[in-house]
Amino acid sequence: GDSVTQMEGPVTLSEEAFLTINCTYTATGYPSLFWYVQYPGEGLQLLLKATKADDKGSNKGFEATYRKETTSFHLEKGSVQVSDSAVYFCALRIGRDDKIIFGKGTRLHILP
Amino acid sequence: KAGVTQTPRYLIKTRGQQVTLSCSPISGHRSVSWYQQTPGQGLQFLFEYFSETQRNKGNFPGRFSGRQFSNSRSEMNVSTLELGDSALYLCASSSGGGGGDTQYFGPGTRLTVL
Repeated sequence: GDSVTQMEGPVTLSEEAFLTINCTYTATGYPSLFWYVQYPGEGLQLLLKATKADDKGSNKGFEATYRKETTSFHLEKGSVQVSDSAVYFCALRIGRDDKIIFGKGTRLHILP
Repeated sequence: KAGVTQTPRYLIKTRGQQVTLSCSPISGHRSVSWYQQTPGQGLQFLFEYFSETQRNKGNFPGRFSGRQFSNSRSEMNVSTLELGDSALYLCASSSGGGGGDTQYFGPGTRLTVL
């Protein structure tokens, strides 16, 4: 079935370090891909999305490119801040289906 | 524009009881989806309602049910609560177009079953 696999956490980095969180997917159709972020005590917020192959989603310095050939959607940021500490979820949706399939989440700690 | 609201934010119940959670979507949104979040299982899809009809359903037992009203507000009910139902329940709303259509999440209701 459709699924999302993302790297296990926690990931601990120093401020201004480069961030990569890996995400790969398995899908029977042509999914839209998403990264959501969850700050402590809050719900999910959409961080960025891409709806077709080679699309690049970007927001708040974060980027991810939809790679159909490697079925990947890795999240990157060039210089992380303490305020980026949160849990990040990679996710997909197929077609008109509103059901989102989430990865397990990656907890990110940024040290000052 | 007001975001997705969920009430109550926190609930404590005992085993065997039932509970009803409420979700008010963003104005104009017709689709409401519900998710269960637990440390062990992560985020799991419960069901989706669109224009008062259940359009999609996850793999949860029949104790979990929901409905949607004509104003798009949705309720989720869990009967005969079990300890394992302790979780953060999130709802999300969208226009219902699917695909790349953005879903907006509420802050969640944290349910604790004792």
